[in-house]
Amino acid sequence: DVKVTQSSRYLVKRTGEKVFLECVQDMDHENMFWYRQDPGLGLRLIYFSYDVKMKEKGDIPEGYSVSREKKERFSLILESASTNQTSMYLCATQYRGNQPQHFGDGTRLSIL
Amino acid sequence: DQQVKQNSPSLSVQEGRISILNCDYTNSMFDYFLWYKKYPAEGPTFLISISSIKDKNEDGRFTVFLNKSAKHLSLHIVPSQPGDSAVYFCAASDQAGTALIFGKGTTLSVSS
Repeated sequence: DVKVTQSSRYLVKRTGEKVFLECVQDMDHENMFWYRQDPGLGLRLIYFSYDVKMKEKGDIPEGYSVSREKKERFSLILESASTNQTSMYLCATQYRGNQPQHFGDGTRLSIL
Repeated sequence: DQQVKQNSPSLSVQEGRISILNCDYTNSMFDYFLWYKKYPAEGPTFLISISSIKDKNEDGRFTVFLNKSAKHLSLHIVPSQPGDSAVYFCAASDQAGTALIFGKGTTLSVSS
């Protein structure tokens, strides 16, 4: 079974803090993704990675960065958290192109 | 501009009847389409996919239909069950098959 683990289910941080969200997969999948989900907006792609140390910007990369130092781990970094980054963050993995993506359970992040 | 549109925010169906969820897309380069189901406080779960070389794909109670000329796909659930009550997302990708573009979702409510 596909297992995608996000480090926290709920997280509360303050504006200006540097925030790290971690995602780990155990399936040896090539591709990993970070989305955010907001009411009425669906899922929007922030960044994705198709290999170790490789990354591509998605639709809404501003205010975020990512790190993939090992194949199984993909981190999302909020450099200086702002209240408009309060959201549900979802990590996904994909074996390769034209295959389904598999999601973790999400991290609900609140920035106060 | 939305490339993947789910024009019905909600749908209510009685148990045992058919649920039909619709999705329209604008980008003719899309050639891989997926449906996901999402319960509150969980990540999206992959349901079924279809590539552009097909017009129908079935998996148990779920069938996806693709009409390329109309740039339209639909998900049929027969028979509908109360456990099917969730938010359903349509998604599409281009020939690279990596980054997904999601619709905003349709909330399905199945009453017993």
